[in-house]
Amino acid sequence: GAVVSQHPSWVICKSGTSVKIECRSLDFQATTMFWYRQFPKQSLMLMATSNEGSKATYEQGVEKDKFLINHASLTLSTLTVTSAHPEDSSFYICSATRGMGTQYFGPGTRLLVL
Amino acid sequence: GQQLNQSPQSMFIQEGEDVSMNCTSSSIFNTWLWYKQDPGEGPVLLIALYKAGELTSNGRLTAQFGITRKDSFLNISASIPSDVGIYFCAGQLRAGGTSYGKLTFGQGTILTVHP
Repeated sequence: GAVVSQHPSWVICKSGTSVKIECRSLDFQATTMFWYRQFPKQSLMLMATSNEGSKATYEQGVEKDKFLINHASLTLSTLTVTSAHPEDSSFYICSATRGMGTQYFGPGTRLLVL
Repeated sequence: GQQLNQSPQSMFIQEGEDVSMNCTSSSIFNTWLWYKQDPGEGPVLLIALYKAGELTSNGRLTAQFGITRKDSFLNISASIPSDVGIYFCAGQLRAGGTSYGKLTFGQGTILTVHP
């Protein structure tokens, strides 16, 4: 299957700082990338859909000014959590797809905001 | 957002036993997917189903796409310790509209296999 990477795999930051998470498709060009958030013992919740070269589409209840998404190339999307607070601590997972085919998931990034 | 109803929430079984879990939805999907997630990892695709009534196997795994397009099940035969993890179903619409391509996940089934 296709390979999707995320960086960093985990990050600890102070409250009020911003954190950038990268999602890369390593062996295919991803026209669409998705960002999910997963709290402990819960399912994945879609945050936003990111199409290369256009603005991301956010799910209801997700603040677009807090979770900035950039999808500047067919192999890279970034999620920036701005002014992070402890309640933003979570497991952030991206997925990538070519067209609207199978979504391949990254390994996730664990964010802990102190 | 919308979630699928996945059951059971957790299962504790002995190695060698068969396992069955299912998902139901109030909405129709035209693709059903089953993923496994290990702790601290992203989900890994196990089986994808694209047609109503389709029955697909992948090794010891068998999954079916319900005729009504509102449900799917996953069976694991002769379980082994490495089957431990969280299993998620996901429904996908491959048609126009704002939900196009998005995955809707079930709540997950936590599987524990005792040696």
